[in-house]
Amino acid sequence: GQQVMQIPQYQHVQEGEDFTTYCNSSTTLSNIQWYKQRPGGHPVFLIQLVKSGEVKKQKRLTFQFGEAKKNSSLHITATQTTDVGTYFCAGLDQGAQKLVFGQGTRLTINP
Amino acid sequence: DGGITQSPKYLFRKEGQNVTLSCEQNLNHDAMYWYRQDPGQGLRLIYYSQIVNDFQKGDIAEGYSVSREKKESFPLTVTSAQKNPTAFYLCASRQGFLNTEAFFGQGTRLTVV
Repeated sequence: GQQVMQIPQYQHVQEGEDFTTYCNSSTTLSNIQWYKQRPGGHPVFLIQLVKSGEVKKQKRLTFQFGEAKKNSSLHITATQTTDVGTYFCAGLDQGAQKLVFGQGTRLTINP
Repeated sequence: DGGITQSPKYLFRKEGQNVTLSCEQNLNHDAMYWYRQDPGQGLRLIYYSQIVNDFQKGDIAEGYSVSREKKESFPLTVTSAQKNPTAFYLCASRQGFLNTEAFFGQGTRLTVV
């Protein structure tokens, strides 16, 4: 079945450093979605990528979708303490509406 | 106020008892999902439903059961057959067509003692 792998599992950075998390699917995806879960909270939608090779930016966050629609990345420039949390990618398969999440990358920041 | 509501927030049960977690949404979403999250781990899909009276197993359905008798409701029963039920359970919903995001409830933390 569809699997979504995400690395790294943990990342600790100094405030101001950059951060990147990578996501790979075993199958071609209809789209890729990214979510953020703050400690003690629930996942909240950040963005969705649909087109092959798509790049989207949200302030310091840059999201990319691979040409083959099987991988994606999230890059945060100059991290701030408000970026702390776990970032998940989620892939929607091409027919069954099955939304599968990666394992998440937990980001901690040293102020 | 539109949203997705899970109840209760915390639930304690004795080993061997079945327990049902509630999930209700008033967003008029077609698709609903149940995920399990263990400490430091990702979201694993238990069951999902695209329409009323229909649902599919996710990756870890063993020991769980669901029903979808109404569009708004998607309760999850954790049965005694689930070997390690203590976890954080998240319910989500989304529109049934492509390219729409999922909205999550606040979650239910189940502890089995």
